[in-house]
Amino acid sequence: SQKIEQNSEALNIQEGKTATLTCNYTNYSPAYLQWYRQDPGRGPVFLLLIRENEKEKRKERLKVTFDTTLKQSLFHITASQPADSATYLCALEVGNTGFQKLVFGTGTRLLVSP
Amino acid sequence: KAGVTQTPRYLIKTRGQQVTLSCSPISGHRSVSWYQQTPGQGLQFLFEYFSETQRNKGNFPGRFSGRQFSNSRSEMNVSTLELGDSALYLCASSNGQGRAYEQYFGPGTRLTVT
Repeated sequence: SQKIEQNSEALNIQEGKTATLTCNYTNYSPAYLQWYRQDPGRGPVFLLLIRENEKEKRKERLKVTFDTTLKQSLFHITASQPADSATYLCALEVGNTGFQKLVFGTGTRLLVSP
Repeated sequence: KAGVTQTPRYLIKTRGQQVTLSCSPISGHRSVSWYQQTPGQGLQFLFEYFSETQRNKGNFPGRFSGRQFSNSRSEMNVSTLELGDSALYLCASSNGQGRAYEQYFGPGTRLTVT
């Protein structure tokens, strides 16, 4: 069956450290993978998108890797801050062009303590 | 640009009733997608509308339906409500063209069915 797995347990790290979140998937062949941030009571906010032929993408303190052989994406936040505390969702873009949709993982909650 | 707006923000309904939720996308966006988010199932795709046509559909029963108007505003309807329909309903808009487009989410409508 098709699955997208993210760590269900919260990730607790100290301010200034690098947070690494994992997204593993099975029985999907996504052309694109996206990461979103969601704060309690709010809708998800788009962070980064990476294509299947890209190994790595960066944006400020964020870095995403995409390994289609391992079927895994890693999401890194360097120099983490308490304001980075939120739930982070990975989403696979699947389907044919014009009919694609996003399939989301269940998310990992990140807690950054001062 | 104004963001995605959803109305109402909160709703309480009784089993068996029906409900209509509304979404106004970002100006210029022609695609509107709807998602259901629950603690147990996470964020699940309901359907997408593009230029007034349903372009994609998730695995939800026929009680869930939607439509899009010529100004891209969209409505979602759930008939014969069940307790399990209690969830946060999110709408997201995008330009909908080609591939790899990020979704802009609204704040959601929190539906409680009693």
